[in-house]
Amino acid sequence: AQSVTQLDSHVSVSEGTPVLLRCNYSSSYSPSLFWYVQHPNKGLQLLLKYTSAATLVKGINGFEAEFKKSETSFHLTKPSAHMSDAAEYFCVVITPTSGTYKYIFGTGTRLKVLA
Amino acid sequence: DTEVTQTPKHLVMGMTNKKSLKCEQHMGHRAMYWYKQKAKKPPELMFVYSYEKLSINESVPSRFSPECPNSSLLNLHLHALQPEDSALYLCASSQDPGQGGGYTFGSGTRLTVV
Repeated sequence: AQSVTQLDSHVSVSEGTPVLLRCNYSSSYSPSLFWYVQHPNKGLQLLLKYTSAATLVKGINGFEAEFKKSETSFHLTKPSAHMSDAAEYFCVVITPTSGTYKYIFGTGTRLKVLA
Repeated sequence: DTEVTQTPKHLVMGMTNKKSLKCEQHMGHRAMYWYKQKAKKPPELMFVYSYEKLSINESVPSRFSPECPNSSLLNLHLHALQPEDSALYLCASSQDPGQGGGYTFGSGTRLTVV
């Protein structure tokens, strides 16, 4: 069965410093992986996705993630945090079911950006 | 149009009320989803519609009744809800249910049951 584990429930960084949000996955085959961001009382916005093409995936707002099969990881990074990056981040793997696909969500990482 | 629109944004209802949540997309997506999200938790899948047919029901209580009148519209009918059903209800859509691509989420309906 597919699953993802977000290793940190909370991460705090200072504005202008790098961001690292960690996600490990478990999958019996080559997975499709996503990162979503959710600002307070908002829906989820797709940051980036990995679907077995390039292992370094660039997303919106300066975020990127690297798929590492040997480490079963898909960590999200950004070189320089901005105050507007403060939000909840979800790592997601998809799993096939009933002729379609389901999202399997990680438990989320709350990013706090300090001025 | 690249959005999923949900109405209303906020809803307060009594336990004996009947209400409906509405979700609309005009991206030509053929899969639509209802999720329930409690505070500080990830979204939980409730229903999946694939080509306007219900393909997944995650053992949701019958007081929640989904409906997909056409390929652009998804409703969630609510009846006799409990206070523990208070949550953010998110709708999402995706282009092809058989390809597992990214979802587009709406901003949600914040439901409070009193």
